[in-house]
Amino acid sequence: GQNIDQPTEMTATEGAIVQINCTYQTSGFNGLFWYQQHAGEAPTFLSYNVLDGLEEKGRFSSFLSRSKGYSYLLLKELQMKDSASYLCAALSGNTPLVFGKGTRLSVIA
Amino acid sequence: DAGVIQSPRHEVTEMGQEVTLRCKPISGHNSLFWYRQTMMRGLELLIYFNNNVPIDDSGMPEDRFSAKMPNASFSTLKIQPSEPRDSAVYFCASSLIRGQGALGNQPQHFGDGTRLSIL
Repeated sequence: GQNIDQPTEMTATEGAIVQINCTYQTSGFNGLFWYQQHAGEAPTFLSYNVLDGLEEKGRFSSFLSRSKGYSYLLLKELQMKDSASYLCAALSGNTPLVFGKGTRLSVIA
Repeated sequence: DAGVIQSPRHEVTEMGQEVTLRCKPISGHNSLFWYRQTMMRGLELLIYFNNNVPIDDSGMPEDRFSAKMPNASFSTLKIQPSEPRDSAVYFCASSLIRGQGALGNQPQHFGDGTRLSIL
């Protein structure tokens, strides 16, 4: 089976940097996705990592370490609109995505 | 471009009634996924289709749930009879999977969801 863990909630200050961690246990690992979900809305795709290292996309970056089964999403220059849930999801072999329960991020002034 | 379209957006009905949720995937996508999201269990995959064929329905809770995809542009998820514990947000997502076998690294695009309340 697969197991994905991420913190339930985090709080950070506007303008700061926050790192949301995700650990996964899966066989036949084939990549890791991050999605953003605002309250009452659909999840939207943020990033995909399959190789070790950091992928940067504007204020958002995602890191992967395959050997450690670990990923993080880094959000810089936080804005109030970044308050949302962030879902980590692992792709394994020929099975569909398995999502973590999400980390609810609150950005405060 | 039109995204994934789901209907209805909200549904409130009494237990025992039949509920039908509808989904139109993004044109050109060949895979469609039905998810259920609750606070307790997060986002759970119920079933997915590839080229209109159900591939994995192991997430379907029980026989009261059924899903169909009669063509590439339409899918339904039906609950009959409905129960209060079925109350959740149901999402449909689609993606384009290239190549045979592997699910690939193409992101899934989600519809706005159907918020279902069974009284």
